[in-house]
Amino acid sequence: GENVEQHPSTLSVQEGDSAVIKCTYSDSASNYFPWYKQELGKRPQLIIDIRSNVGEKKDQRIAVTLNKTAKHFSLHITETQPEDSAVYFCAASLDTGKLIFGQGTTLQVKP
Amino acid sequence: DAGVIQSPRHEVTEMGQEVTLRCKPISGHNSLFWYRQTMMRGLELLIYFNNNVPIDDSGMPEDRFSAKMPNASFSTLKIQPSEPRDSAVYFCASGRRETQYFGPGTRLLVL
Repeated sequence: GENVEQHPSTLSVQEGDSAVIKCTYSDSASNYFPWYKQELGKRPQLIIDIRSNVGEKKDQRIAVTLNKTAKHFSLHITETQPEDSAVYFCAASLDTGKLIFGQGTTLQVKP
Repeated sequence: DAGVIQSPRHEVTEMGQEVTLRCKPISGHNSLFWYRQTMMRGLELLIYFNNNVPIDDSGMPEDRFSAKMPNASFSTLKIQPSEPRDSAVYFCASGRRETQYFGPGTRLLVL
């Protein structure tokens, strides 16, 4: 079955710097890759997603890139702010709708 | 537009008691997912339904766990009997195709 590895497990950056979180997946048939942000005590919230027919997608300060050949995808956050501090989860899915989540990355943005 | 609704939000019970968690998905969504989140194991998919039919229950930990979806607007996750190791946050999510939206979760503590 599908397996998703996420790195790093923790990431600390200064406010204004960029943050990059990387995920690799095992099943080349996976075709949907969402990213969720989870603040402490809150629910995971979908922040951006990408499908396998697209290489990059941007939404203001966040972007996701996908390399199908290497089977990895990344989340990029530019001009980080303290409110970006949270746990970020990547996931991969086949057409079944079942998401396989990575282990999560705790991002800390220092003011 | 209401999001996914879960009840109760918090549950404290004693070992051996029956626990029932409830979920109302977003109207129009045809998929419903139950997840469990702990520090040790992260976010685990327990079971998911498409059009009210259970598709994959391979994540259900053991026979003490059961889930039902009698109609498109309601699902339950039942634990009987409950054990301290069941203590976790249980999330329900609903979606169309692969995109999933999480409810606020039920924080369960089994003493």
